[in-house]
Parts: sequence; structure tokens; C-alpha cells
Amino acid sequence: DAGVTQSPTHLIKTRGQQVTLRCSPKSGHDTVSWYQQALGQGPQFIFQYYEEEERQRGNFPDRFSGHQFPNYSSELNVNALLLGDSALYLCASSSGFEQYFGPGTRLTVT
Amino acid sequence: GDSVTQMEGPVTLSEEAFLTINCTYTATGYPSLFWYVQYPGEGLQLLLKATKADDKGSNKGFEATYRKETTSFHLEKGSVQVSDSAVYFCALSSPTGANSKLTFGKGITLSVRP
Repeated sequence: DAGVTQSPTHLIKTRGQQVTLRCSPKSGHDTVSWYQQALGQGPQFIFQYYEEEERQRGNFPDRFSGHQFPNYSSELNVNALLLGDSALYLCASSSGFEQYFGPGTRLTVT
Repeated sequence: GDSVTQMEGPVTLSEEAFLTINCTYTATGYPSLFWYVQYPGEGLQLLLKATKADDKGSNKGFEATYRKETTSFHLEKGSVQVSDSAVYFCALSSPTGANSKLTFGKGITLSVRP
């Protein structure tokens, strides 16, 4: 049983560009959450998707948006990238109490 | 809002030493509490959890007790191994329940010397 998978592993973008990160949840999980982990910090909650709708949102600007597909996979989109968006982006899936995390996508904005 | 405070790191110990990592929290209501571990180059893994006051979570020799009176969830292990070297995060979910968002502390790096 594959766990949570994320793509790509690493990404380098230029300030002002847009980026899309992808996440496939663990089999049987219907809820996907996204977190941003800056270097040396704990993960910060961005938003959560369930039944293709955003159910909860953290304190992130509208430049951060997402989508969930009928197969429960999800995308995180970030527009107008800033240098401060450089971070590890983690996806977590759940179907109940415990959240399972993927390995993350390392985004570098130059 | 909800917050988690972890002791400052990093922590360096010799193999077989006793480990304590402090964690305190602020939350409305009664959160669930977690410890996650992140090994180099990997994602977060749930180490243990406790869902109500006085619960003790345990896994792989690690333990933590949910102390409502001191709003704490300190992580302990009696004898650490080199393989325990990783970053440890304390986290809470509030309100307690399925799919609640997680609030994390800053994490602490543990290095264990042979």
C-alpha cells in the first residue's frame, strides 16, 4: 500500500512566477491537508480539502489556492511567488483521526 | 489562538542516555496532543498521541503523558539510540476530532553519539 506521494521532489522558481504542487493521498483517505515548513520551523497549516471543497484554511494569503479531484488527489497552487515562499511543502492525508504525511516538495524561489 | 512551545535545541546525547524534550501548549477547549518525528530527507511520522487528560502515549520506547493541569506533553525515553537522531515536533489538534488541523511547535533536533 503506497503512502502519501508528492511531486515534484524539488522545484526552483523565480520570484513572480506561479507553481503547482501535487499530492496523492494514502489509499482509502478522503481528506488532504497542506502545510508549509520554513527552514528551522515547524509546519504551518495552509488549508484542507474534503469532498473537493476547501474545508479549513490557515493564515495564508489568497495567492495560495488548491484543488481536490474526484480521486481525492490534490494540488497546491501559489501565484506571484515571493522569496519568502521558499519552504518544504508537506501534504497530509487522513480519513479520521491520524494524518499521514508525504515526503514533501522543496520549493526554492530565487 | 492555539500554540505549542518546545524547549530550545539542539540536544546532543550519548547513546543510552535518558531523554526529555519539553512541550507546553495553549489551546481553547481540550485538544489532542501528538509527537511527530522527522528523519533526514523524510516526511513527518507520527510517533505517539494522547487524546485526553492523563492519557499516556507510547511507541518505540518513547512516552508522553497529557497533563492538563500544567498544559504539558513532555517526551521521554529511558535509553536513546543513535537511530533516534532526528527532529522531533510536538503538535496539537483543536478541537479534538477527525481531520482537525495540526498546530506544531518549532521542533528540536536530537543528535545521539555512539
